[in-house]
Amino acid sequence: QKEVEQNSGPLSVPEGAIASLNCTYSDRGSQSFFWYRQYSGKSPELIMFIYSNGDKEDGRFTAQLNKASQYVSLLIRDSQPSDSATYLCAVTASGSRLTFGEGTQLTVNP
Amino acid sequence: GAVVSQHPSRVICKSGTSVKIECRSLDFQATTMFWYRQFPKQSLMLMATSNEGSKATYEQGVEKDKFLINHASLTLSTLTVTSAHPEDSSFYICSASYRMGYYEQYFGPGTRLTVT
Repeated sequence: QKEVEQNSGPLSVPEGAIASLNCTYSDRGSQSFFWYRQYSGKSPELIMFIYSNGDKEDGRFTAQLNKASQYVSLLIRDSQPSDSATYLCAVTASGSRLTFGEGTQLTVNP
Repeated sequence: GAVVSQHPSRVICKSGTSVKIECRSLDFQATTMFWYRQFPKQSLMLMATSNEGSKATYEQGVEKDKFLINHASLTLSTLTVTSAHPEDSSFYICSASYRMGYYEQYFGPGTRLTVT
């Protein structure tokens, strides 16, 4: 079992729709959860982090964490073509080492 | 805030030569810096973790004598690829962490290395 698993994608949504990205993790001791966006040929950009159960909203982005289910998700409302990228879920257990999922490629169609 | 720079952004070198990549945190002091490598269409692979003033911790399978890491200050870390070979051609990305206890990592723009 992979430590961090994401929908393999690709995920395609129409412009203006809600994009839902999912991630599960295996280490129940995981404490910090991150979503990064990576455009093709570029480095990852941190867009959300969440540490407590529940929802965290930042503009069009909402991160949801359920530690009991070992599940974290990212919702993108009013998706725009500029949101088309690969989204990486990352988790830390103890210490500062990030464990990344393989990423989900999102395409938003105009 | 939390800006990380890398230099150079692209480098082409001949097989057998060494290449140094710099990673700087521009507006914060980085308690820890990380070096990753990413091959096309693959996820990030952590190579090593470094803390200022101490030796880097390398991930399993990463040759520490080939990938030399120096973390001389709280704002600068360098990665030197020694005796580079074509298989070392990759996208090298550094990141820096500054919030103790929370561990967000902010990534530099990356360095694309091509070894001919």
